[in-house]
Amino acid sequence: DVVMTQSPLSLPVTLGQPASISCRSSQSLVYNDGNTYLNWFQQRPGQSPRRLIHRVSIRDSGVPDRFSGSGSGTDFTLKISRVEAEDVGVYYCMQGTDWRAFGQGTKLEIK
Amino acid sequence: EVQLVESGGTLVQPGGSLRLSCAASGLSFNRYWMSWVRQLPGKGLEWVANMNQDGSERHYAVSVKGRFTISRDNAKNSLYLEMNSLRAEDTAVYYCASDGFDIWGRGTVVTVSS
Repeated sequence: DVVMTQSPLSLPVTLGQPASISCRSSQSLVYNDGNTYLNWFQQRPGQSPRRLIHRVSIRDSGVPDRFSGSGSGTDFTLKISRVEAEDVGVYYCMQGTDWRAFGQGTKLEIK
Repeated sequence: EVQLVESGGTLVQPGGSLRLSCAASGLSFNRYWMSWVRQLPGKGLEWVANMNQDGSERHYAVSVKGRFTISRDNAKNSLYLEMNSLRAEDTAVYYCASDGFDIWGRGTVVTVSS
């Protein structure tokens, strides 16, 4: 089974500063069709998860452009260019290449 | 409005059974693979099971294989999760989601305790 490992698990950030979350998979996430099925989710307190980015770097509709995804193979990154108060929550990566598996989650808080 | 609404969560004793439902509206349900995802108390997300559009393909997490069964009724725009031999560690919020994970329900709470 593919194991997803996120770091850091806790991320205190000053408002207006950038933030970066790393996600590593135990094997390549490139699927037979050439696509890489790596998603990023945000879960605000008390809410259901919300998909932010799919296929590594495609931002979902309505997601602010301060969120960006990058990476390939086994190493992926979610970046927030300037953190805002509404970004507080837990962020998860998830692979959809070899069935499904989530990372442990990264809790973003404001310093 | 696209919506997934879960129901059926409750308190159940260890070893018991439960059936969760997920009602879909505002989307062409029969075109979607669908998944169940759970979140243990204060913990992260765990994918549980998924199923293709006509129900001919189903996949399960190792932790639930042999105990849980995913099913669907496209005529009723509904997804189900039959849970048997429940354990304390199955206590969680259970979410219904499209298998692309762009659509999520609000979840239903399952508590397994004596």
